[in-house]
Amino acid sequence: AQSVTQLDSQVPVFEEAPVELRCNYSSSVSVYLFWYVQYPNQGLQLLLKYLSGSTLVKGINGFEAEFNKSQTSFHLRKPSVHISDTAEYFCAVSGRGSTLGRLYFGRGTQLTVWP
Amino acid sequence: NAGVTQTPKFQVLKTGQSMTLQCAQDMNHNSMYWYRQDPGMGLRLIYYSASEGTTDKGEVPNGYNVSRLNKREFSLRLESAAPSQTSVYFCASRAPGTSGYNEQFFGPGTRLTVL
Repeated sequence: AQSVTQLDSQVPVFEEAPVELRCNYSSSVSVYLFWYVQYPNQGLQLLLKYLSGSTLVKGINGFEAEFNKSQTSFHLRKPSVHISDTAEYFCAVSGRGSTLGRLYFGRGTQLTVWP
Repeated sequence: NAGVTQTPKFQVLKTGQSMTLQCAQDMNHNSMYWYRQDPGMGLRLIYYSASEGTTDKGEVPNGYNVSRLNKREFSLRLESAAPSQTSVYFCASRAPGTSGYNEQFFGPGTRLTVL
């Protein structure tokens, strides 16, 4: 099985500052990694995903994440945040070759961007 | 395409009442999932259906039943609601995977309060 740890439950930042949301995973098999975003009172939306190849993955809204196999991490970054980035962010992992398609989620990080 | 739809959006129940949460997807996906989201807990899998006619338990199945009515629809039933089932419930469906790639699409959620 897999598990995900999001190290920060809340991250407050000022507008236009850079941000990093941390994610570490544990798995006995190779994995696919995902970041989802949840805006207030909405469902989850895929932000970006790592399947294979380049370890730096670019997603929507200017976000990017870097897969580090040796550190089992998949941290999410944005060089300059906007107030509209205020949301909850979830890191998730799935085992490669999983025919059942199960995703294992972290507990989430609430990003709050202040003016 | 509507994607994944859920009804109702909000529901208040009294302890012991029963209800069914409905979910439908129009993306011709095989796999469907029910999650609950509680503050600080992330998303936890209740039940899933890898394909029409099959269902399996996830992490937190106690107190719930599911029905995969057809390929489009996957319902979640609470037979005797308890206050511990107060939560936000999300339905998701999975895009067909190649080489095990798993992306899930989420509905907008149902906010359930059990008094």
